[in-house]
Amino acid sequence: AQSVSQHNHHVILSEAASLELGCNYSYGGTVNLFWYVQYPGQHLQLLLKYFSGDPLVKGIKGFEAEFIKSKFSFNLRKPSVQWSDTAEYFCAVNANTGNQFYFGTGTSLTVIP
Amino acid sequence: NAGVTQTPKFRILKIGQSMTLQCTQDMNHNYMYWYRQDPGMGLKLIYYSVGAGITDKGEVPNGYNVSRSTTEDFPLRLELAAPSQTSVYFCASSLLRETGNTIYFGEGSWLTVV
Repeated sequence: AQSVSQHNHHVILSEAASLELGCNYSYGGTVNLFWYVQYPGQHLQLLLKYFSGDPLVKGIKGFEAEFIKSKFSFNLRKPSVQWSDTAEYFCAVNANTGNQFYFGTGTSLTVIP
Repeated sequence: NAGVTQTPKFRILKIGQSMTLQCTQDMNHNYMYWYRQDPGMGLKLIYYSVGAGITDKGEVPNGYNVSRSTTEDFPLRLELAAPSQTSVYFCASSLLRETGNTIYFGEGSWLTVV
């Protein structure tokens, strides 16, 4: 079975600091990779996704993620966070052509103004 | 622009009561899912469906039932509610394409069992 690990459970940053959230997955085949964001009291929204092609993926709100196949990783980055980025971030993996999605346990990000 | 719609948004149940969480999607997605989210535990898959008439258990199916009579609707039934079912429930859907498969979530249903 596939699994997704997010190593940082809770991250606290000051505004303008750089962000990197780790995500590793276990699956030997071709995968689709996702980052979702959940703002307080809201549902999960797609931040960015990787299906194929350029391993550096740019998403909404200045976020990007890099797929490193050899490391089974898909880390999320943002050069300068804002208070409005305070949210929970979930990494997810889906086997290519598969119908099941596997989510990490989430990373709670708090940005201090 | 509705996407995935679930109702109710909030509900308080007494132990032993039953209820149904409704979910409908207007994107003609073949796959639908029910997840529960508990603090610090991420998302756990309860049930999923790959098309009308087809459902399958996920990771935590006990205490729940689903049906998929149409492509659009995927209700989740809680029988004999227990405090352990206090959670936030998310319905989701996706469409398998050759280029990949993205999952879209409803806005969630907050359920408390007392």
